[in-house]
Amino acid sequence: TQLLEQSPQFLSIQEGENLTVYCNSSSVFSSLQWYRQEPGEGPVLLVTVVTGGEVKKLKRLTFQFGDARKDSSLHITAAQTGDTGLYLCASRSSGNTGKLIFGQGTTLQVKP
Amino acid sequence: DTAVSQTPKYLVTQMGNDKSIKCEQNLGHDTMYWYKQDSKKFLKIMFSYNNKELIINETVPNRFSPKSPDKAHLNLHINSLELGDSAVYFCASSQVGAGAIYGYTFGSGTRLTVV
Repeated sequence: TQLLEQSPQFLSIQEGENLTVYCNSSSVFSSLQWYRQEPGEGPVLLVTVVTGGEVKKLKRLTFQFGDARKDSSLHITAAQTGDTGLYLCASRSSGNTGKLIFGQGTTLQVKP
Repeated sequence: DTAVSQTPKYLVTQMGNDKSIKCEQNLGHDTMYWYKQDSKKFLKIMFSYNNKELIINETVPNRFSPKSPDKAHLNLHINSLELGDSAVYFCASSQVGAGAIYGYTFGSGTRLTVV
């Protein structure tokens, strides 16, 4: 079973700062997804990356997929309090069941 | 609104009781899932149904039994609840297709507390 390791586990920053969250695996990802979960809610899909070296932008969020497809990063520019939440990376397991394996998550707190 | 909705949102019950959580999706997805999120926020899959057929059954105690009356509904029944069952349970749905990558749509979770 593929294991996804996220770092850091916790991050507390001031509004306006930049930050990067990482997701790594010893195996190659077929694809990778990033989700954000706010307190009391379910995770919400932010992006899917598929191609090695791919970069996707979602407003102040930049997602990168490593060239070898074994790592991914999420960079947030000028963080806002609304970015506070749990960030999860996830990858599909082999087979056609659609099963998603999640990393343990990075809890981000953005202070005003 | 198109969504995955699960009920109840909160469930507090005593050890030994039996309880059910219901989930419905109106997105037209073929596949539904139950995930358990523990106190450390780790999300682990429990079950998955594709068009009413069980396709994923992870190592979960027999006290947990999923039921899918149709492809829009997936319920979770738990017998003889134990303290360790306390967690947040999420229902999710997605399309699944060879060569295609779809995201999950999650419900807002059911926080189960066993006392």
